[in-house]
Amino acid sequence: GENVEQHPSTLSVQEGDSAVIKCTYSDSASNYFPWYKQELGKGPQLIIDIRSNVGEKKDQRIAVTLNKTAKHFSLHITETQPEDSAVYFCAPTSGTYKYIFGTGTRLKVLA
Amino acid sequence: DTGVSQNPRHKITKRGQNVTFRCDPISEHNRLYWYRQTLGQGPEFLTYFQNEAQLEKSRLLSDRFSAERPKGSFSTLEIQRTEQGDSAMYLCASSAHTGGIRGTEAFFGQGTRLTVV
Repeated sequence: GENVEQHPSTLSVQEGDSAVIKCTYSDSASNYFPWYKQELGKGPQLIIDIRSNVGEKKDQRIAVTLNKTAKHFSLHITETQPEDSAVYFCAPTSGTYKYIFGTGTRLKVLA
Repeated sequence: DTGVSQNPRHKITKRGQNVTFRCDPISEHNRLYWYRQTLGQGPEFLTYFQNEAQLEKSRLLSDRFSAERPKGSFSTLEIQRTEQGDSAMYLCASSAHTGGIRGTEAFFGQGTRLTVV
């Protein structure tokens, strides 16, 4: 079955610094690669995604890069702000099955 | 449409009681997913529907759990004879699957937090 891992499990950065979270997956059929942000007591919120025919996608301060050969994709947050503090999950999938969530990364942005 | 809606937001029940949760997906989303999340863990897949058909169930979904999506719109998740281990956040998500193997965006509701005492 699908195996999804995230690193690091926790990450603390100073406000204004960059943060990078990596997600590795095992299923070569995966073709859609989203990142979710989850704040305490709330459901996961889709923040950025990428498809297998694209290597990088950027949306203001966040970006996602994909290395399909190596089966990993990464979330990049620049100029971090306290409101970026949350748990981040990756959830690679193809259209034929469900989303399998990674183990999560707790990001703390220190003011 | 304001997104995926789940009710109730919180439920406290005594062990052994039955509970039912409701999920209203984004209009015209044909896929609906149920996940369970315990503290400090990622969401774990329970089951999903395409329209009214339940396509897959996880091994986590014991005989005490049942999910329905009778008209391909809203869905209910029922837990019978609740146990303390059922305490978790139950999340619902929906997506518009257009066919084939292409993955699409899934949007989550705010979840129903179940506490079994």
